[in-house]
Amino acid sequence: QITLMESGPALVKPTQTLTLTCTFSGFSLSSSGVGVGWIRQPPGKALEWLALIYWDDDERLSPSLKTRLTITKDLFKNQVVLTLANVDPLDTATYFCSHFHVVLDYFDYWGQGLLVTVSS
Amino acid sequence: QSVVTQPPSASGTPGQRVTISCSGSSSNIGSNFVYWYQHLPGTAPKLLIYKDNQRPSGVPDRFSASKSGTSASLAIGGLRPEDEADYYCATWDDSPNDFYVFGTGTTVTVL
Repeated sequence: QITLMESGPALVKPTQTLTLTCTFSGFSLSSSGVGVGWIRQPPGKALEWLALIYWDDDERLSPSLKTRLTITKDLFKNQVVLTLANVDPLDTATYFCSHFHVVLDYFDYWGQGLLVTVSS
Repeated sequence: QSVVTQPPSASGTPGQRVTISCSGSSSNIGSNFVYWYQHLPGTAPKLLIYKDNQRPSGVPDRFSASKSGTSASLAIGGLRPEDEADYYCATWDDSPNDFYVFGTGTTVTVL
C-alpha cells in the first residue's frame, strides 16, 4: 500500500526558506518508472504544480519558481525534500506531495496536504 | 497564472450531463496527453482520466473525456450530488523545458 505524508512548518516568515519533507512508504524511489512530485494550492485558488523528481535523479521544476526551488531525495529515509527560498505571503498554500507513475504518466497517490502560512 | 484555461464554473441538476472544457496550446495539449483530476476541498485530488480518455479502475463510466487539437473536455453524465467538486485538467508543456501544468480549475455545482 502506497502512502505519502507531508511534514514541515505551519508558519514561515517572509524571506525565509521553506523546507518540506515528503515521507513515503509502499514503493522505492530507486525503482524504475517512479517519481515524486509536489503540488500546492493557495487558499481559494487552483492547483499549481511545483516540482517532480524521478528514480534516475532527473528532475523537473516549475519555470516560474525554478530559481527558488530545489528538490532532493533520500533513498534511505524514503523521503523527498522540497525547499522554497525567499518565501512571500503569496506562497501561503496547502502543499501536497504525490507518487508519480512514469509509464502511465500521472499522479496516482497523494498525501493529505500540509497548510503552510507565510506571515510575519 | 496557468497557461491552460478552464471555465471557472459549471452546473447542472441531478441526472444532467455537464461538460468542462480545457484550452491550451500547441506546446501543451496540442502535443501531450491530458489528464483530469477531481478535487474535493480538504482532500487529496483524485485522478479521473489519464492519457486523454482512459479511466483508471474504479472511476465510473459516467466520466468521459476527449481531446481535439489544443483543447480537451471532460463530460460528467448522470450528474450526482457527490460530483460537486473542483475539476482540473493537466498536461505537460514542452516549452522551454518539460513542465507539468494544471488548468485553472472548474467548480461543478449540482443544483
